[in-house]
Amino acid sequence: KAGVTQTPRYLIKTRGQQVTLSCSPISGHRSVSWYQQTPGQGLQFLFEYFSETQRNKGNFPGRFSGRQFSNSRSEMNVSTLELGDSALYLCASSWGTGVQETQYFGPGTRLLVL
Amino acid sequence: AQTVTQSQPEMSVQEAETVTLSCTYDTSESDYYLFWYKQPPSRQMILVIRQEAYKQQNATENRFSVNFQKAAKSFSLKISDSQLGDAAMYFCAYRSGIEETSGSRLTFGEGTQLTVNP
Repeated sequence: KAGVTQTPRYLIKTRGQQVTLSCSPISGHRSVSWYQQTPGQGLQFLFEYFSETQRNKGNFPGRFSGRQFSNSRSEMNVSTLELGDSALYLCASSWGTGVQETQYFGPGTRLLVL
Repeated sequence: AQTVTQSQPEMSVQEAETVTLSCTYDTSESDYYLFWYKQPPSRQMILVIRQEAYKQQNATENRFSVNFQKAAKSFSLKISDSQLGDAAMYFCAYRSGIEETSGSRLTFGEGTQLTVNP
């Protein structure tokens, strides 16, 4: 079974631009979560989607948004990029949302904002 | 809010030796799950081991085992017979057992960089 895939793997943008990152979960998985990883703040939860609905959201400004499609693929969008948005963005998928579920992570998208 | 603390930014171990990574957490919940994830240079997060808080028995996965002290809110990872491939950043993570409020959210510690010396 293929793992979680994220595209693109690397991205360079300039301040003020917007960016869209994609995550394809493991086949059959319906829950997708997004995390931001930076050297200063560590790993921080962005949001979680299940069956096309946002179930949970972390403490990030409204510039960060996401969505999930009927095939469970998820996208996250960051508008009006700031230098501080430079980070590794990780997504994780699980079959459901139960507390017994194990989350499997993708390889991440490394975003550099210049 | 829950917090996870890893007080050892870096650790090193000789190949074939044993090393223990520390993790403490703070929560008012009684039902939760704890995890250790490994992040090698490839940046892919890999689940190493998980522990359910309601289980008294410490989890074990091959060379990896945990020492879960619920009263002390401590969750350490022991790696036995360390191998070069164990070199990575290790993250301790917490997940609430209350799905309705926290969903699948993981709260991570700061990480411990493990070096394995040949």
